[in-house]
Amino acid sequence: DQQVKQNSPSLSVQEGRISILNCDYTNSMFDYFLWYKKYPAEGPTFLISISSIKDKNEDGRFTVFLNKSAKHLSLHIVPSQPGDSAVYFCAASYGSGAGSYQLTFGKGTKLSVIP
Amino acid sequence: GAVVSQHPSWVICKSGTSVKIECRSLDFQATTMFWYRQFPKQSLMLMATSNEGSKATYEQGVEKDKFLINHASLTLSTLTVTSAHPEDSSFYICSAPTIHEQFFGPGTRLTVL
Repeated sequence: DQQVKQNSPSLSVQEGRISILNCDYTNSMFDYFLWYKKYPAEGPTFLISISSIKDKNEDGRFTVFLNKSAKHLSLHIVPSQPGDSAVYFCAASYGSGAGSYQLTFGKGTKLSVIP
Repeated sequence: GAVVSQHPSWVICKSGTSVKIECRSLDFQATTMFWYRQFPKQSLMLMATSNEGSKATYEQGVEKDKFLINHASLTLSTLTVTSAHPEDSSFYICSAPTIHEQFFGPGTRLTVL
């Protein structure tokens, strides 16, 4: 049973437009959520995170929204740039932050930003 | 930011041989490191948690005798795939946490012929 779900395996967006990547989770114990970006044959790189006590966290072009009641989070990238093309993984953990706790990953969404 | 390295970045071996993959935290100490495995178009799956000074804890379905983990120091964890078979071919990634986040290594592509 997959506890973190990214139901869209791929997404194509025009450069300059908004990219919205979605993630759903089933485990109500999760209290910390992260987004990672991954290029082929490389390890994931951290993008942005959000604690369950917040509903929004913003960092430059990246904003993560959390809807706890719906067990849903989304990553917004605006404006999208060709360099954003990669696979984006949603991850979740529980405990006092992601530092020392295991991450459960979704299957990823491949974002293609078209110039 | 913190850096985690892995060595080798890719390896090809014959079926039945053993392969060791190293994971190092270069500028910070990590009492815990995580080992993940990724199949094409699939999620990163946690294999085991490597603990410095004690035994690793393995996720359900991961054979501890096949995937030997040794956390030799506060900056080094190794994963040894013993008696490798073609189905072990995969992308193996380690991560090391700090207080604020986890840092991932670049991954190791293992191909077993």
